[in-house]
Amino acid sequence: AQTVTQSQPEMSVQEAETVTLSCTYDTSESDYYLFWYKQPPSRQMILVIRQEAYKQQNATENRFSVNFQKAAKSFSLKISDSQLGDAAMYFCAYRSRKLTFGKGITLSVRP
Amino acid sequence: EAGVAQSPRYKIIEKRQSVAFWCNPISGHATLYWYQQILGQGPKLLIQFQNNGVVDDSQLPKDRFSAERLKGVDSTLKIQPAKLEDSAVYLCASSSIRKNIQYFGAGTRLSVL
Repeated sequence: AQTVTQSQPEMSVQEAETVTLSCTYDTSESDYYLFWYKQPPSRQMILVIRQEAYKQQNATENRFSVNFQKAAKSFSLKISDSQLGDAAMYFCAYRSRKLTFGKGITLSVRP
Repeated sequence: EAGVAQSPRYKIIEKRQSVAFWCNPISGHATLYWYQQILGQGPKLLIQFQNNGVVDDSQLPKDRFSAERLKGVDSTLKIQPAKLEDSAVYLCASSSIRKNIQYFGAGTRLSVL
């Protein structure tokens, strides 16, 4: 079974600084997708960024980028120029046949 | 484009009572998912529909949980009877067949007392 591990329960970052959220996963498959979702207090899961496993190039969406290391099964999220609105829970997720989530990390942003 | 709609937003019931949640997916999305998210954890898939057929219900506690999507659009998830450990947020998501992205609703927070 696929597992997704987010070992840091909480992180804090100063506004305008950069923060990296870690994620590792375990799979024997070669074709899959990886995602980072943001869940603010409103509870709605919002897609932040997506990475196809067959693509070597790391995905980027504005201030959000990933460091995808397929051999190491690592998928970290970097948030640049952190903003107060980035404060939320962040979930790493893996998908082959179904979407499997990690436990999440609470990110706080200090003004 | 309207997002995934869920109701109610909150529900408080006593154990052994029954409860139902409703979900309306994004228009045109053939695939619909129900997830359970217990406090402090990531969402866990309960059931996946494609149109009105069940694709995966392996983690649905079928002795008390049921779900249907009769016309391939809206879906309801029911719990009967509820237990204390069913307290959680129930999230609905939908996706199109072409794109491998799930879009989530705001969820229903269930408290079982």
